[in-house]
Amino acid sequence: DTGVSQNPRHKITKRGQNVTFRCDPISEHNRLYWYRQTLGQGPEFLTYFQNEAQLEKSRLLSDRFSAERPKGSFSTLEIQRTEQGDSAMYLCASSTPLRNTIYFGEGSWLTVV
Amino acid sequence: DQQVKQNSPSLSVQEGRISILNCDYTNSMFDYFLWYKKYPAEGPTFLISISSIKDKNEDGRFTVFLNKSAKHLSLHIVPSQPGDSAVYFCAASGPLRLTFGKGTHLIIQP
Repeated sequence: DTGVSQNPRHKITKRGQNVTFRCDPISEHNRLYWYRQTLGQGPEFLTYFQNEAQLEKSRLLSDRFSAERPKGSFSTLEIQRTEQGDSAMYLCASSTPLRNTIYFGEGSWLTVV
Repeated sequence: DQQVKQNSPSLSVQEGRISILNCDYTNSMFDYFLWYKKYPAEGPTFLISISSIKDKNEDGRFTVFLNKSAKHLSLHIVPSQPGDSAVYFCAASGPLRLTFGKGTHLIIQP
């Protein structure tokens, strides 16, 4: 399977704990995106990487959120001091510069209790 | 300010008939539009797209129509099949990212 891979698929954590999600994009894609989706909403943009450079961050991405893509390949999204409002599906997507279509992974569900 | 709007949260269509899903946008800088399909607990799957220089794109049972003057696009599925039951998201492409609508839940009735 050469699609976008995300793990873990599900994470339940206690409020105040830190969590980290990993995304492996499609191998030839140099653009990587993180989105968040909550019930009844469409995916909301969080941040965008071109290779290892983080080129855009949404104001939704508070100081507790940090994303990295150290070698321009896989990416991690860390949430520190989780809050119940962070409960959502975190979606990773990737694309090439030649196409406007982005391809999503299966998502990582976060439940903060 | 919601730049991409899907005003119908749900739509019920009989199997075999045509499903028409609608989407409106406000930003005239959007130059590429996409439809994604999503099943519960899965990521969105790309379905079909259209460039702003076209007014129609067809792929099998799926056709997307774009009316730039009205800032409106629609997805037609014909004939509708049970496996089409899912949430459909309209998305518009800006310079660096996609902006999504809230989705329409399509239910195909037998």
